[in-house]
Amino acid sequence: GEDVEQSLFLSVREGDSSVINCTYTDSSSTYLYWYKQEPGAGLQLLTYIFSNMDMKQDQRLTVLLNKKDKHLSLRIADTQTGDSAIYFCAVTRFTGKLIFGQGTTLQVKP
Amino acid sequence: EAGVVQSPRYKIIEKKQPVAFWCNPISGHNTLYWYRQNLGQGPELLIRYENEEAVDDSQLPKDRFSAERLKGVDSTLKIQPAELGDSAVYLCASTSTSGAGPNTGELFFGEGSRLTVL
Repeated sequence: GEDVEQSLFLSVREGDSSVINCTYTDSSSTYLYWYKQEPGAGLQLLTYIFSNMDMKQDQRLTVLLNKKDKHLSLRIADTQTGDSAIYFCAVTRFTGKLIFGQGTTLQVKP
Repeated sequence: EAGVVQSPRYKIIEKKQPVAFWCNPISGHNTLYWYRQNLGQGPELLIRYENEEAVDDSQLPKDRFSAERLKGVDSTLKIQPAELGDSAVYLCASTSTSGAGPNTGELFFGEGSRLTVL
């Protein structure tokens, strides 16, 4: 079945760049997402990319997609303490059913 | 615009007791999801509704879990009887798949209902 894998933990210093990685198994995935979850809250969509794109930039966020390797990454420039949260990668073959990774906890040290 | 509203936020029950969660999606959203999020894990789909029809309930443990979405708006998720392993956060999400234009598939999540079974 479909599977999405992420590293569990990332620690960076404030002001540095953060790169969160994700791999997936379903090569037919059409939409790929990054969600953010703060403690005690639901998930909030950060950004998404269509499978026909290689890169998408949105202010401090850059998403890179390598379809050949089925690898998705999220780069956060100038990471702030407010970026500390759990980041989830999610993919879907069609809009309707999202498969989530287990989440990467980002710790930002001042 | 109001977001997805869920209640209760927290629930503590003893095993074998019943429990129910309620979800009010964003107005106009025809698609509603229930996800379960275990501690340290990503959300896993339990059931998806298109309007009032359950179109994907393959992951719902039907021996003890039930869900309904009367009139295609609010939804309830029930567990009876609850087991220790049901302790988790139950997330409701909604989206619109019936509008014009491309659908990015963005799901809007509620804050979740945290269940603890003792």
